Amino acid sequence: EVQMVQSGAEVKTPGASVRISCQVSGYTFTDYYLHWVQQAPGKGLEWMGLVDPDDGETIYAEKFQGRVSITADTSSDTAFLELRSLTSDDTAIYYCLTVDDVGPWGQGTLITVSS
Amino acid sequence: SYELTQAPSVSVSPLQTARITCSGDGLPKQYVYWYQQKPGQAPLLLIYKTNERASGIPERFSGSKSGTTVTLTISGVQAEDEADYYCQSADSSGTYVFGPGTKVTVL
Repeated sequence: EVQMVQSGAEVKTPGASVRISCQVSGYTFTDYYLHWVQQAPGKGLEWMGLVDPDDGETIYAEKFQGRVSITADTSSDTAFLELRSLTSDDTAIYYCLTVDDVGPWGQGTLITVSS
Repeated sequence: SYELTQAPSVSVSPLQTARITCSGDGLPKQYVYWYQQKPGQAPLLLIYKTNERASGIPERFSGSKSGTTVTLTISGVQAEDEADYYCQSADSSGTYVFGPGTKVTVL
């Protein structure tokens, strides 16, 4: 059974950084790109970027370029999303996923940015 | 930047057919993915690589493409199909994007 298990909810202050993890199981981690998606309250899905766990190469959405880092640790089959210089606009649920028919998305991680 | 267009909402009666479209200039050359999202849940992959049904997805869901428009068709709509539906694709640089989503209401 494929699973993507994300780290828990966090509350951050404006200007801080956050790092979210996504540990996968049930498939070969290096076989599929791992994507991250942001969903603000009541809003649609926003693609943030992806990592190729096989070689660590990344592609980021222009909106988040310079403020986001996505990495993959093949020793633990875990991907990480780091988002820096947080503002209230970053209050959202963050999901990890593969776009192919591999398995369900991660359960989502709620990040609240508030002073 | 690359954009996808979807109608904000579609209303359909039970057992009728719902067609949800997604348009974008790059779609003729790229795969498209379709997701269903119900309130309080993570999105669920319905269709991948434009017309391949994901594992466990009922046969009433299908995907097709014609030129710059792709269509998710729900045949014989059921009450449980009421949800938001998102298309996703990539541009030639490998950057992905989602459509704005279509809210399907079952009357």
